[in-house]
Amino acid sequence: KNEVEQSPQNLTAQEGEFITINCSYSVGISALHWLQQHPGGGIVSLFMLSSGKKKHGRLIATINIQEKHSSLHITASHPRDSAVYICAVAYNNNDMRFGAGTRLTVKP
Amino acid sequence: KAGVTQTPRYLIKTRGQQVTLSCSPISGHRSVSWYQQTPGQGLQFLFEYFSETQRNKGNFPGRFSGRQFSNSRSEMNVSTLELGDSALYLCASSQDRDDSPLHFGNGTRLTVT
Repeated sequence: KNEVEQSPQNLTAQEGEFITINCSYSVGISALHWLQQHPGGGIVSLFMLSSGKKKHGRLIATINIQEKHSSLHITASHPRDSAVYICAVAYNNNDMRFGAGTRLTVKP
Repeated sequence: KAGVTQTPRYLIKTRGQQVTLSCSPISGHRSVSWYQQTPGQGLQFLFEYFSETQRNKGNFPGRFSGRQFSNSRSEMNVSTLELGDSALYLCASSQDRDDSPLHFGNGTRLTVT
């Protein structure tokens, strides 16, 4: 069993839909990251969370430490949001374990 | 501020050779970490350096090594290359504070033939 489980693996949405990607992990962590990877490989860090909720534009990330669960929400999705979204948990000093990623396609 | 720079972008090597990849972090960032990404295994942590010291190492064989220089630039080396080492190698830098996010480079795509 992977230390970090993401769901769904693939997600297709229509432009404007509300999207949720889930991440569960199995052991205590120092922080959780949500990453975005576009074709070509470049990775952008969207959020780093250790508790609560963060919002940036149309993106919202939440984490429940007790339940070892995090969600990434995208409101009013747009085709440019199409990418792979990766959940990663950090232990010490950027020693990280990654989920397999969620491939999101937003159709116009 | 310039982002994280990785060189080269692409590399083709033959089995048994060795390779050195370079990563220049964002100015002021002293933590540099390295990751391997393959279609089969996804992203995996290789190692992390801070102030020229390796602080953490992932579960990779000793053929994978790295170092960090006094200007925080980092290199990773893979010796005796195997076909399975073909991957995208990513480095990321951060300010080593609890609230400091990672900044990733565009990666080096290594192909071993």
